[in-house]
Amino acid sequence: NAGVMQNPRHLVRRRGQEARLRCSPMKGHSHVYWYRQLPEEGLKFMVYLQKENIIDESGMPKERFSAEFPKEGPSILRIQQVVRGDSAAYFCASSSPGLASYEQYFGPGTRLTVT
Amino acid sequence: GEDVEQSLFLSVREGDSSVINCTYTDSSSTYLYWYKQEPGAGLQLLTYIFSNMDMKQDQRLTVLLNKKDKHLSLRIADTQTGDSAIYFCAERKSNDYKLSFGAGTTVTVRA
Repeated sequence: NAGVMQNPRHLVRRRGQEARLRCSPMKGHSHVYWYRQLPEEGLKFMVYLQKENIIDESGMPKERFSAEFPKEGPSILRIQQVVRGDSAAYFCASSSPGLASYEQYFGPGTRLTVT
Repeated sequence: GEDVEQSLFLSVREGDSSVINCTYTDSSSTYLYWYKQEPGAGLQLLTYIFSNMDMKQDQRLTVLLNKKDKHLSLRIADTQTGDSAIYFCAERKSNDYKLSFGAGTTVTVRA
């Protein structure tokens, strides 16, 4: 049973470019969460999605950031016009619906470097 | 300030026990978690405890919860070099689903 998969693992972008980060949840999981980890800090919640729905995006910056989880395919976190401050590790987690939803399993992360 | 606080570093000798401490501020927290992060890797869910429990043991891991003091600890028995990592404490509040993380404790195991 494959775990949470994220790609790419490393992404380098120049200032002003767009970054697209992908997350495929564990099999059977329909809830996806994105977190951001700045250097030497803990993870900060960004957004929580279920298939075709954004449930909570209270942790997302108001501009340049968007997320989706389509009916088919992976969840995408999109950062437009990246700036140096966007350099961080972005982690996706997934959980199953129902009683086990308190167990969130994390992917390996995408490390974004903005030059 | 942060909702979840941890000491930043812990050094322990191989074979000894490690104790990692965490404090949280929200008494309504329902679930409390410990995650392990090895260099360049994602977070591995080690264990979690419900707020109506005081202790949970899982092989070499023991979690203790003191609700009165809002204090959570993780004890690793017989610490091995493979236990060197960053350990994150996280809480999940009632009626919520997102996790709030501490800054992580870097555990270094020396021979």
